[in-house]
Amino acid sequence: ILNVEQSPQSLHVQEGDSTNFTCSFPSSNFYALHWYRWETAKSPEALFVMTLNGDEKKKGRISATLNTKEGYSYLYIKGSQPEDSATYLCASGSSNTGKLIFGQGTTLQVKP
Amino acid sequence: NAGVMQNPRHLVRRRGQEARLRCSPMKGHSHVYWYRQLPEEGLKFMVYLQKENIIDESGMPKERFSAEFPKEGPSILRIQQVVRGDSAAYFCASSPGTVLGEQFFGPGTRLTVL
Repeated sequence: ILNVEQSPQSLHVQEGDSTNFTCSFPSSNFYALHWYRWETAKSPEALFVMTLNGDEKKKGRISATLNTKEGYSYLYIKGSQPEDSATYLCASGSSNTGKLIFGQGTTLQVKP
Repeated sequence: NAGVMQNPRHLVRRRGQEARLRCSPMKGHSHVYWYRQLPEEGLKFMVYLQKENIIDESGMPKERFSAEFPKEGPSILRIQQVVRGDSAAYFCASSPGTVLGEQFFGPGTRLTVL
């Protein structure tokens, strides 16, 4: 994998459903993996920064896991709510300069 | 504590004019990053600066684009002789002294070139 790739591109779920997205990134020269939440007309908001293989992080109903050896991260949302509707971006930091390579994002729409 | 501020929020320029985009990082943050989002594309890294230094400009177009982060004042992204292909949303982010930390994004400047 040469780029950061996210799947699916978009997702529609019902309120209360749990969902997950995938982020694939180059495993060589890995430095950090960032997840951002981006609501329309707002700024991207950081959710997690993960660096260690096997890392798991949680914030409320949202959690993320990291596998640096195979180059993927999962983001889980438990019991989706309409306010979770947003685009979720992952970004790989592949050097020590802080430069982030972003995926195209997964756009989540939660229907009440 | 004010977040990252960018101005203007919207900028319209005619082809051949200059565009200046400003970014004030969060208080206490000494690292500034500029990203660009072209229509129908994702965020793309342009440049990373610390006070008075360009650290990584590997994402900057070779011509017409420049960036600075002076000792005093905001970071400036300057685009000379704009063309229609420069129309995009330009986002600035800042972080404190560690490259492992999260980056805090501003609201972006939407540049439209007529």
